[in-house]
Amino acid sequence: AQTVTQSQPEMSVQEAETVTLSCTYDTSESDYYLFWYKQPPSRQMILVIRQEAYKQQNATENRFSVNFQKAAKSFSLKISDSQLGDAAMYFCALFNFGNEKLTFGTGTRLTIIP
Amino acid sequence: DTGVSQDPRHKITKRGQNVTFRCDPISEHNRLYWYRQTLGQGPEFLTYFQNEAQLEKSRLLSDRFSAERPKGSFSTLEIQRTEQGDSAMYLCASSPGQGGGNTEAFFGQGTRLTVV
Repeated sequence: AQTVTQSQPEMSVQEAETVTLSCTYDTSESDYYLFWYKQPPSRQMILVIRQEAYKQQNATENRFSVNFQKAAKSFSLKISDSQLGDAAMYFCALFNFGNEKLTFGTGTRLTIIP
Repeated sequence: DTGVSQDPRHKITKRGQNVTFRCDPISEHNRLYWYRQTLGQGPEFLTYFQNEAQLEKSRLLSDRFSAERPKGSFSTLEIQRTEQGDSAMYLCASSPGQGGGNTEAFFGQGTRLTVV
């Protein structure tokens, strides 16, 4: 079985500041991908960033970067220069090549304070 | 291609009625997934297809739930004899296919089911 845990139900950050969302996971597989998805209110879920487990280098996408600690099974998301449009639910997800499905955490609601 | 589309967006039904949802994936995407999301929770896996073959069903999917993907294109999810506990957002996602960089799932906007 695989699990994804997000221990921060809600986070808030001042506009233009930096915020880090936490995620831990558990899997017995060695080959997997990790994702952060964003779900704005009443809108569809979109991919923010992806990390392949075999890569040591942390993924970055513009203002979004991850801190991937494989041994600790930790996968945090850092959002720099936060913008009002970043307000959303953020879900951490694990794709396991053994069972080939995405397992999601319970999400973190991010609020941006103007 | 406008992405994954789901129909209807909202459905209100009386307990005991049957409902059917449709998902049209991105064309040429081989994988199609169904998830259920309740308020304040992350999406829970229900089932997925590789082309027209249904490869896995979650234990969450009781006998009242059935999914099909004829001809490997659109998919339908049917719930028979709906119960209030079925009220949720039903999400569909598609991905290009097996392995490598083809794991990114593209989600539709979901169908929100309310059972009264």
